[in-house]
Amino acid sequence: NAGVMQNPRHLVRRRGQEARLRCSPMKGHSHVYWYRQLPEEGLKFMVYLQKENIIDESGMPKERFSAEFPKEGPSILRIQQVVRGDSAAYFCASSPGSRGAEAFFGQGTRLTVV
Amino acid sequence: TQLLEQSPQFLSIQEGENLTVYCNSSSVFSSLQWYRQEPGEGPVLLVTVVTGGEVKKLKRLTFQFGDARKDSSLHITAAQPGDTGLYLCAGRKDTGNQFYFGTGTSLTVIP
Repeated sequence: NAGVMQNPRHLVRRRGQEARLRCSPMKGHSHVYWYRQLPEEGLKFMVYLQKENIIDESGMPKERFSAEFPKEGPSILRIQQVVRGDSAAYFCASSPGSRGAEAFFGQGTRLTVV
Repeated sequence: TQLLEQSPQFLSIQEGENLTVYCNSSSVFSSLQWYRQEPGEGPVLLVTVVTGGEVKKLKRLTFQFGDARKDSSLHITAAQPGDTGLYLCAGRKDTGNQFYFGTGTSLTVIP
């Protein structure tokens, strides 16, 4: 999973601020997943993107959260007006996109809202 | 409700012992992955199984996909302290895009 790069590794935000999490997929991968992991909970799906397209955002909260994967540059998960409950580890995974392809995870961004 | 249930949730064993972790569901999956996650790190892919009844071996780890593609098991032979970590199964359905993750099994191997 060393190929999937996430930054920052740790992010501290005050309540009401914005958090931007970045994910650069593995070389040759055009599909990105975002997952959230809360303490003592499993990995929960948030959104699945292809370059310039959101394929499935069924796991994304309706408000304050958005994601993009532009033609150039990393995928961005954006959380506006953060609240304490947003504190979690956010993981990005990438895959080549073909049906049945495996997903490889980055090291995650640990968001703490104070 | 969790689509994939793992058991046991916690497991603490002595070095050299064998163990099996189970991943069960009432749903059918087109593929199933096993990951290991260490504290502060992302999940690392161990194996993918796609055919019902398939068995894959990775050194001391043996993975099996159930005949009906609803369940899977991970067997570790002669566990070592380096095997310590959180083991996660994740399934992908024929329809839909996401990987559904199991509840996780936290393994501790005591030297």
